[in-house]
Amino acid sequence: EDQVTQSPEALRLQEGESSSLNCSYTVSGLRGLFWYRQDPGKGPEFLFTLYSAGEEKEKERLKATLTKKESFLHITAPKPEDSATYLCAVDPSGTYKYIFGTGTRLKVLA
Amino acid sequence: ETGVTQSPTHLIKTRGQQVTLRCSSQSGHNTVSWYQQALGQGPQFIFQYYREEENGRGNFPPRFSGLQFPNYSSELNVNALELDDSALYLCASSLGSNQPQHFGDGTRLSIL
Repeated sequence: EDQVTQSPEALRLQEGESSSLNCSYTVSGLRGLFWYRQDPGKGPEFLFTLYSAGEEKEKERLKATLTKKESFLHITAPKPEDSATYLCAVDPSGTYKYIFGTGTRLKVLA
Repeated sequence: ETGVTQSPTHLIKTRGQQVTLRCSSQSGHNTVSWYQQALGQGPQFIFQYYREEENGRGNFPPRFSGLQFPNYSSELNVNALELDDSALYLCASSLGSNQPQHFGDGTRLSIL
């Protein structure tokens, strides 16, 4: 069964304290792995797409990486405005169904 | 560029009723997907529409149905509402099935 697991469920960081969020997946095939940010009461906001192992993408303080079994979202020197839930999703080959993990709730303290 | 817009933002219904939720996709996006997000959970795929045809469905019963119109806007219909249908319903649009999806802010549906 296709599955996406995110860890940790929740993370509290001090401002400037770098860390990483994990997304592990078991799928029959992978047409893409997506990272989203979701603020309370809002829809998910697209961050990155990764297609193949070894690929990396960066945007401001965020960097996403991909291996054959997992993806990491690295947050460097986070700020309070980075507080949100970070969702990982995969698109298994040919199924058109995006499978999401349950997310990591990140809180960055000033 | 106008993003994905959904209406209404909030809705309260009772068990057994029917509901229609609406979505206007981002300009030029011909693929629309609907998701259900329970509190504290990730979104769950309901179904996807591409050029007015259903193009993939998740594990949801037939009382969840949808439509896509020629202008690529879409509706989600749910019949015989149950308490467990209480959730945030998200619409997402993309240029194709292997492109990143862009989400609206959802409709919060509460069933009493």
